[in-house]
Amino acid sequence: DVKVTQSSRYLVKRTGEKVFLECVQDMDHENMFWYRQDPGLGLRLIYFSYDVKMKEKGDIPEGYSVSREKKERFSLILESASTNQTSMYLCASSDRGPLGETQYFGPGTRLLVL
Amino acid sequence: KQEVTQIPAALSVPEGENLVLNCSFTDSAIYNLQWFRQDPGKGLTSLLLIQSSQREQTSGRLNASLDKSSGRSTLYIAASQPGDSATYLCAVKGRLDTGNQFYFGTGTSLTVIP
Repeated sequence: DVKVTQSSRYLVKRTGEKVFLECVQDMDHENMFWYRQDPGLGLRLIYFSYDVKMKEKGDIPEGYSVSREKKERFSLILESASTNQTSMYLCASSDRGPLGETQYFGPGTRLLVL
Repeated sequence: KQEVTQIPAALSVPEGENLVLNCSFTDSAIYNLQWFRQDPGKGLTSLLLIQSSQREQTSGRLNASLDKSSGRSTLYIAASQPGDSATYLCAVKGRLDTGNQFYFGTGTSLTVIP
């Protein structure tokens, strides 16, 4: 079974803090993604990566950065947390096999910025 | 940019009823379409993936269909059970030449009443 794990289920941070969200997958997937999910807006892509040290901006990259130093790990960084970054953050990974890139999701991190 | 719509936003049915969830997308140049289930406060679980060349996929009581030309997919759930209560999301993946990311609908929240 594919497993995608996220470092925290719940986080509370202060405005201006630097926040690190970690995601690890154990299936040697090349593709990894970070989304945020907000009521009424659905899932929105922040950043994705197709290879180690490679990153691409999604639809809402402002205020975020990412790091992928190892294939299994994809980190999302909030450089200076703001209250409008309070959200549910979901990490996903996918393969490039014949099944057509099924996405597998982690359990999510609910972040509250005060 | 691809837009994915799911109607209705919420649905309540009595246990045992068959039901259909709808997903529509604006750009028919897709690579695949995936249906997910999300339980409250949790990540997404993949249910079915349909390649662009396929018309339908089945898994147990679930059947997903795809009509690319009309930009529609349906998820059919047979003999619904209270355990089916969750939010169901569809996502489409663009072809390489139109953007290689997943686009999500906002979901249909399903309640199956015992």
